[in-house]
Amino acid sequence: GQQLNQSPQSMFIQEGEDVSMNCTSSSIFNTWLWYKQEPGEGPVLLIALYKAGELTSNGRLTAQFGITRKDSFLNISASIPSDVGIYFCAGRTSNTGKLIFGQGTTLQVKP
Amino acid sequence: NAGVTQTPKFQVLKTGQSMTLQCAQDMNHEYMSWYRQDPGMGLRLIHYSVGAGITDQGEVPNGYNVSRSTTEDFPLRLLSAAPSQTSVYFCASRLRPSGGYEQYFGPGTRLTVT
Repeated sequence: GQQLNQSPQSMFIQEGEDVSMNCTSSSIFNTWLWYKQEPGEGPVLLIALYKAGELTSNGRLTAQFGITRKDSFLNISASIPSDVGIYFCAGRTSNTGKLIFGQGTTLQVKP
Repeated sequence: NAGVTQTPKFQVLKTGQSMTLQCAQDMNHEYMSWYRQDPGMGLRLIHYSVGAGITDQGEVPNGYNVSRSTTEDFPLRLLSAAPSQTSVYFCASRLRPSGGYEQYFGPGTRLTVT
């Protein structure tokens, strides 16, 4: 079946540092999404991408839809302690297709 | 507007017991789905529904049943619980199956099967 490979699996960084994580797939996707999950909560949508090459920002977060349509990355600039959580990428092959999730990147920020 | 609600928040079952996880949304969303989340596995789709009366299987449907008799509710039934079903279960909904509408998740149900 379709799989998304998300890396890194975990990151432990100092407050103020920039963070980068990415997802790759063997399949072409027409939608890439990035979610954040905090302990005890459901995932919350951060950014949605719908076009190859699209670069979208949400505050300190920036995500890009890869040109090949098989990858996406998420950058967080100037990290703060409340950025702690698990970040998931998710992809969809068609508008009515199922959403496939990556394994998640656990981010810890040291004040 | 309460969004996506799930009950119960926590549940412990013995092997072989059955139970229903409830999910409801008050946003008139057509599309609803159930995921399970296990460590290191991300979220995996169990079942989904594109509208009342229509359901279909996801990646890991075995051992689970669903029905969609109303737009608002999408219960997930465990017929005979097994320890392998210990997981965190998330319900999600989306305004329409197609187009630029994305999924919103409930708070989750933490299930332990002993």
